[in-house]
Amino acid sequence: KAGVTQTPRYLIKTRGQQVTLSCSPISGHRSVSWYQQTPGQGLQFLFEYFSETQRNKGNFPGRFSGRQFSNSRSEMNVSTLELGDSALYLCASSLNVAGGSSYNEQFFGPGTRLTVL
Amino acid sequence: GEDVEQSLFLSVREGDSSVINCTYTDSSSTYLYWYKQEPGAGLQLLTYIFSNMDMKQDQRLTVLLNKKDKHLSLRIADTQTGDSAIYFCAERDRDDKIIFGKGTRLHILP
Repeated sequence: KAGVTQTPRYLIKTRGQQVTLSCSPISGHRSVSWYQQTPGQGLQFLFEYFSETQRNKGNFPGRFSGRQFSNSRSEMNVSTLELGDSALYLCASSLNVAGGSSYNEQFFGPGTRLTVL
Repeated sequence: GEDVEQSLFLSVREGDSSVINCTYTDSSSTYLYWYKQEPGAGLQLLTYIFSNMDMKQDQRLTVLLNKKDKHLSLRIADTQTGDSAIYFCAERDRDDKIIFGKGTRLHILP
């Protein structure tokens, strides 16, 4: 079974531009979560999508948005890029969003390294 | 808000045991996880523990959970050079969000 794929792997943008990152989850997985990883802040949760609906959202400004398509593929968009948006953006997929009995393992992609100049 | 804390660095001699510690604040966490990140790669789930368990062992890995103190630890027995990585502690909170610590970089000394 193919793993989580993210495109592109590397991206260089300038301040003020916008960027779209793509994530293809493992086949059959319906939940996709996005994280921002930086040396100073570690891994911070951006949002989670399940069946094309945003189920959870972290504490990021409205410049960060996402969506999920009917095939579970997800995109995240960052508008008006700032220098501080330079980070590794990780996508993770899981089989479902469930509380209680399921440990709900998340499978991570390799990430997209975004550099903002 | 919820927070997960862990020390940033740990150095261990090859063959010794590594113990990585973590504290969390959300007493309603359902699951706690340990993830491993190798250079240039995403995170990989190593092991997890349900909140009503005290201990879980899986080959060289032992997870201890002290729910009263909100303390989680990961012990790696017979540490090898391949264990060199960043280890993330994480909890699933009451809203099903996964909250990660900043990661502990494990360095193996020869």
